[in-house]
Amino acid sequence: DTGVSQNPRHKITKRGQNVTFRCDPISEHNRLYWYRQTLGQGPEFLTYFQNEAQLEKSRLLSDRFSAERPKGSFSTLEIQRTEQGDSAMYLCASSLVPLTGVMDNSPLHFGNGTRLTVT
Amino acid sequence: AQSVAQPEDQVNVAEGNPLTVKCTYSVSGNPYLFWYVQYPNRGLQFLLKYITGDNLVKGSYGFEAEFNKSQTSFHLKKPSALVSDSALYFCAVRALQTGANNLFFGTGTRLTVIP
Repeated sequence: DTGVSQNPRHKITKRGQNVTFRCDPISEHNRLYWYRQTLGQGPEFLTYFQNEAQLEKSRLLSDRFSAERPKGSFSTLEIQRTEQGDSAMYLCASSLVPLTGVMDNSPLHFGNGTRLTVT
Repeated sequence: AQSVAQPEDQVNVAEGNPLTVKCTYSVSGNPYLFWYVQYPNRGLQFLLKYITGDNLVKGSYGFEAEFNKSQTSFHLKKPSALVSDSALYFCAVRALQTGANNLFFGTGTRLTVIP
C-alpha cells in the first residue's frame, strides 16, 4: 500500500489559465473522490467515481471543472479559466467498496493534496 | 440536508489530561460517522468510524468516540493526551437515506496539547 499520490503538490497560476491535477489512488480501490479545502474549512465534496464512471457531482462543481478517470485507475481534475476563488487545496481520496450500490462505510484514504494559488 | 457542527475552533489541553473534541450532526435517518485527523500540509487520516452496534467505538492512536443518538453527537475522546496529538480534527457524516455517497465534513477543531 503506497497510499494515494497527488501531483503536483503546489501549483501557482495566473487567472484565466487552465490547470490539471492528477491523482493516483491505492491500486485496488474502486472509488475515487475529489474534495476541495479552503483555509479554516473542512473538505467540501466535488465529485466521485466508481471505477471509470462518474457517479455524483456536487453543485459546487461549476462547468469550468471537469474530472475524468478514463481507465478506472488514476484521475485528473481540470479547471479551465481559473479564478482567484479557485485557490484552495484539492484533495483526492480513494476507498474500496465491495459491492456496487452498497452504501459506502469504508474510510477514505486521502492524498496530501495539491495546493492551487491563482494570482 | 445533512450537516456537521464542531462548536469549538480550538481546544487546548495539558499533556496527560483527558481530551474531548465535540461533534454534533444533523441528518435524515441513520448516519455513518467518522473522525479524521489532519497534520500540517498533509491529507486527512482516518481515526475511527461508527456504523452500527456498540455506541463506543475505538480507533487509532488510543482515540475513541461515543455515538449518542438522542443528542445527535459523536464526541472524540482520549484518556491521556500526548503532545503529538496536536493537529486539526474533522468530524464527518454520511447519511444513508440520501443515497449520496459523499462524506460531509465539519469545519474542524484545532487541538493543541501543551507540554
